[in-house]
Amino acid sequence: QVHLVQSGAEVKKPGASVRISCKAFGYTFTVYTIHWLRQAPGQGLEWVGWINAGNGDTKYLQKFQGRMTITRDTSANTAYMDLSSLRSEDTGIYFCAITFATAGNFDYWGQGALVGVSS
Amino acid sequence: DIQMTQSPSSRSASVGDRVTITCRASQNIASYLNWYQQTPGKAPKLMIYGASSLHSGAPSRFAGSGSGTDFSLTITSLQPEDFALYFCQQSYSTPWTFGQGTKVE
Repeated sequence: QVHLVQSGAEVKKPGASVRISCKAFGYTFTVYTIHWLRQAPGQGLEWVGWINAGNGDTKYLQKFQGRMTITRDTSANTAYMDLSSLRSEDTGIYFCAITFATAGNFDYWGQGALVGVSS
Repeated sequence: DIQMTQSPSSRSASVGDRVTITCRASQNIASYLNWYQQTPGKAPKLMIYGASSLHSGAPSRFAGSGSGTDFSLTITSLQPEDFALYFCQQSYSTPWTFGQGTKVE
């Protein structure tokens, strides 16, 4: 059974960095793409980036270029999302999700990780 | 970027009601439209993909329709577990974008 388990909540000060992990269960990790999405408080969802878990290729939403790095550890079936130079507007829930078949479909999701940015 | 607009933003309904939510894309996205359900404190779940295909595990009372720029999600007989937030999302081109959500309450 496909299952994505994310790391816990984080509280950071402006300017700091955060790392969120997403561990995958129930499928062959390197076959599928892992996405990261963000949900700001009371807001909709925003796709922020992806990693091809097989070859490590990445793509980011333009506004996060230079501030976000997505990596994976195939031996641990885990993807990571690093976000630096945090600002208050980065506060939100960060989800990982996987695409099984059609690009752009988010078939299964992790439980989400709350990131709070406050001085 | 493709803008997705949902209506209404909230919908009051009762168990057993037929509920329809609409989503409009700012440009033609063919049938590259997905619907997600999110209950409080939980991750979204894919319910409908490709505008009208039911995702594995989604109940058959959920149905999607539309193509081009106008789409709808219909719940034929609302159940207690269906009170939730629903998002549409286009998978036509990156960056993939979502509607602002419709709360069924």
